[in-house]
Amino acid sequence: DIQMTQSPSSLSASVGDRVTITCRASQGISNNLAWFQQKPGKAPKSLIYAASSLQSEVPSKFSGSGSGTDFTLTISSLQPEDFATYYCQQYNSYPLTFGGGTKVEIK
Amino acid sequence: EVQLVQSGAEVKKPGESLKISCKGSGYSFTRNWIGWVRQMPGKGLEWMGIIYPGDSDTRYSPSFQGQVTISADKSITTAYLQWSSLKASDTAMYYCVRREEFDYWGQGTLVTVSS
Repeated sequence: DIQMTQSPSSLSASVGDRVTITCRASQGISNNLAWFQQKPGKAPKSLIYAASSLQSEVPSKFSGSGSGTDFTLTISSLQPEDFATYYCQQYNSYPLTFGGGTKVEIK
Repeated sequence: EVQLVQSGAEVKKPGESLKISCKGSGYSFTRNWIGWVRQMPGKGLEWMGIIYPGDSDTRYSPSFQGQVTISADKSITTAYLQWSSLKASDTAMYYCVRREEFDYWGQGTLVTVSS
């Protein structure tokens, strides 16, 4: 199985900050990586697929990069609605696996 | 508009059976994988399995193989997740998802198993 390791597991940031979350795969997954945002009590929402492609209607303040084993999700200017938990997921091979999540909190 | 609409919350006793559903609309149901994700209270996301409704090809996570059954009825564009004997540890929110990259999510079905 491919293990997905996210870091940090949590972070505190202020409105307007630039935030970067990292996801590392235990083996190469090409660009078969997705990112999700989950707010409390809500279903996760897809932000990015293919490592760097934005889902429709997702604001451009979100961006993804990476290939192989190392990936990042960046939020360029954190807004109040961005405080949530973020997950990465690989879909290169079965079993499909998620990272452990990164909780972004208000400083 | 792509939509995945799940069945409502369930409260069951240990040992009981359960089948929850997820109805897809707004896209070609038979040509897109549809899967299930578990989220236990306060925990992260776990992929359970996925089915291709066009030919019923089904893949399971090793963690859930033999514990649940995933099926689909393409005539009514609905996927199912089924348990034959629930345990208290099955208490969780269950989401259906489209495609292997999970581009669309259902609203979730809360399953509570308690004696």
